Amino acid sequence: GENVEQHPSTLSVQEGDSAVIKCTYSDSASNYFPWYKQELGKGPQLIIDIRSNVGEKKDQRIAVTLNKTAKHFSLHITETQPEDSAVYFCAASFLYGGATNKLIFGTGTLLAVQP
Amino acid sequence: DTAVSQTPKYLVTQMGNDKSIKCEQNLGHDTMYWYKQDSKKFLKIMFSYNNKELIINETVPNRFSPKSPDKAHLNLHINSLELGDSAVYFCASSQDFGQDGTFGPGTRLTVT
Repeated sequence: GENVEQHPSTLSVQEGDSAVIKCTYSDSASNYFPWYKQELGKGPQLIIDIRSNVGEKKDQRIAVTLNKTAKHFSLHITETQPEDSAVYFCAASFLYGGATNKLIFGTGTLLAVQP
Repeated sequence: DTAVSQTPKYLVTQMGNDKSIKCEQNLGHDTMYWYKQDSKKFLKIMFSYNNKELIINETVPNRFSPKSPDKAHLNLHINSLELGDSAVYFCASSQDFGQDGTFGPGTRLTVT
C-alpha cells in the first residue's frame, strides 16, 4: 500500500545542536522526496527535496539523504536555531492511475529548539 | 506577490450547510491541488487538477465538489457539511504532478 512513516513525532533539541528526522516509504518506484516546514497557522513550505538518482543534497544548514535500497530518507538540520521550531513533513511521490504522481505525506515531526 | 491565495481564512458554519472555499495561484503552474489537514496534523491529498481537468480524486465523499474555471483557479464546494469535515483545507499548485508544491495559507473550517 501507499505509506510514508515518519519518526520521531516530537523532537526537542538545544540551540546549536543537530536534529535528524527519518522517513521510510513503501513503494520502491517512488522517485521524488520533498521536505516541508509548517509554522503555526501557515501552510507547509518546501525547504529541500531530493530525487531518486541522488544520494544526498545539502542547502546551507539542512541536508537530505536517501537510501533507495532501504527505502528511507532523512532530514538533517545542523546548528539549530529557535526559528527552526516548527512541524516538519516528509513526503514521497507515488504513482497514481498508472500515468501520474501524487505526494503522500508522513505524519509530521514537531521540532522544538530550546534557546 | 507571486503566491497561492485562499479565501476565506476562517469559516465557521453549522452542520447541513453548504460552503465554498476559493483558491487562486499566479505562479503560472499547470497543476492545482486540495489537501485536508486534520486535527492531528495529518496531511492528505483530496483532488488534483491539471489545466482545468480533474486528474486525482482520492475517494473523497461526493459532498465535496471541486471546480476549476481556469488553470489559475481551483474552488472547493462542500454540501451538507458534517462535524467530521472540520479541518484545515490547503490549496497548492505545482508545475508538474506530484512534484514540489507551493501551498496556500489554509482555510480553517469549523462545523458546529
